[in-house]
Amino acid sequence: EIVLTQSPGTLSLSPGERATLSCRASQSVSSSYLAWYQQKPGQAPRLLIYGASSRATGIPDRFSGSGSGTDFTLTISRLEPEDFAVYYCQQFGTSPPGYTFGQGTKLEIK
Amino acid sequence: QVQLQESGPGLVKPSETLSLTCTVSGYSISSGYYWGWIRQPPGKGLEWIGSIYHSGSTYYNPSLKSRVTISVDTSKNQFSLKLTSVTAADRAVYYCARGTSATGTDAWGQGTLVTVSS
Repeated sequence: EIVLTQSPGTLSLSPGERATLSCRASQSVSSSYLAWYQQKPGQAPRLLIYGASSRATGIPDRFSGSGSGTDFTLTISRLEPEDFAVYYCQQFGTSPPGYTFGQGTKLEIK
Repeated sequence: QVQLQESGPGLVKPSETLSLTCTVSGYSISSGYYWGWIRQPPGKGLEWIGSIYHSGSTYYNPSLKSRVTISVDTSKNQFSLKLTSVTAADRAVYYCARGTSATGTDAWGQGTLVTVSS
């Protein structure tokens, strides 16, 4: 079973700054099956990125994803006040088939 | 615009079975996608429970597989979750969702809190 480890656990930044969030897999993951989500308090998660680098519908272009193999990154180029939330990475594995989430990174206002 | 809505008891007794239903509107389950359940204990992270295709093929989280059944009713455009022998550790917000392995989980219900207590 693949384990996803996100870092840092908490990231404190100011609006306007650049955020870099990491997701590391315990073994190689297909880039096609790596996604990122944003979750705000009391809300369901929202899909940001799928296929490691494709933005979901309606997601601003300040959000970008990259990476391959075991190391993936979510970058928010210029933080807006509404971007402060918890972010999760997720992968789909084929053996056995199923999904795994990382433990999350909390992005908080500094 | 697809919408998903969870329904079911908010309180379940220990050792009993948790049963939830997800009603889908704005999209026919029969048209495709995997339909799944994810849960989140209060203040903690997300845990995938399992998914089902409209044809009925399923796959489950290995850690929950012995207790989980997910089924689909295409005539009602609904899918359901049963989790047996619940304990306090199963207290969580349960989300139903739609997705594929390649395009991510792109639609979520609002979530429903299920508490396990006698």
